[in-house]
Amino acid sequence: DAKTTQPPSMDCAEGRAANLPCNHSTISGNEYVYWYRQIHSQGPQYIIHGLKNNETNEMASLIITEDRKSSTLILPHATLRDTAVYYCIVRAMDSSYKLIFGSGTRLLVRP
Amino acid sequence: GAVVSQHPSRVICKSGTSVKIECRSLDFQATTMFWYRQFPKQSLMLMATSNEGSKATYEQGVEKDKFLINHASLTLSTLTVTSAHPEDSSFYICSARPTENTGELFFGEGSRLTVL
Repeated sequence: DAKTTQPPSMDCAEGRAANLPCNHSTISGNEYVYWYRQIHSQGPQYIIHGLKNNETNEMASLIITEDRKSSTLILPHATLRDTAVYYCIVRAMDSSYKLIFGSGTRLLVRP
Repeated sequence: GAVVSQHPSRVICKSGTSVKIECRSLDFQATTMFWYRQFPKQSLMLMATSNEGSKATYEQGVEKDKFLINHASLTLSTLTVTSAHPEDSSFYICSARPTENTGELFFGEGSRLTVL
């Protein structure tokens, strides 16, 4: 699976949008971009995934560049409960389905 | 939504004993389950892939005789840490892939093992 690069930490003010970048310059055509987050001492939580089109759900929006070499996860109105480590993972839809986690971005939402 | 439950959530054991952690998919069947380990302030490290009815596939560097995995049914996988030592103290997390291929994995809440 392609490797991803994320900033180690970010912060944003409560109520503002949080934009978390991810570089995946070696992504293959059949690999999806997944985002998970992990709140302290809990299991990871699925947020969103996409292949090449932008995606939106009740939690977040995922913007994937046209060349698919990078993406941005957007939390439109961050709350204190969004403080977590956010992981960007690329994965092919093959038979293994395993997720390999990188180091992620530690997002701190400030009051 | 799909729920994955782990038990126990916390366990403390003496060095040399074995500890079993259960991972259950509560409202779906899971052909494949994955086991991860996470040390403090580190990311999740995949240990093994568990397929129902067959032997687990271990990642490089993970001792299969140390970490016994059983996936006897479509809703239950177990991880047994044998002859546990203090360095095995960690946060163990499982995830499950629904038999209906959605591509999404659902994670348990994790089990914190402390070996004295």
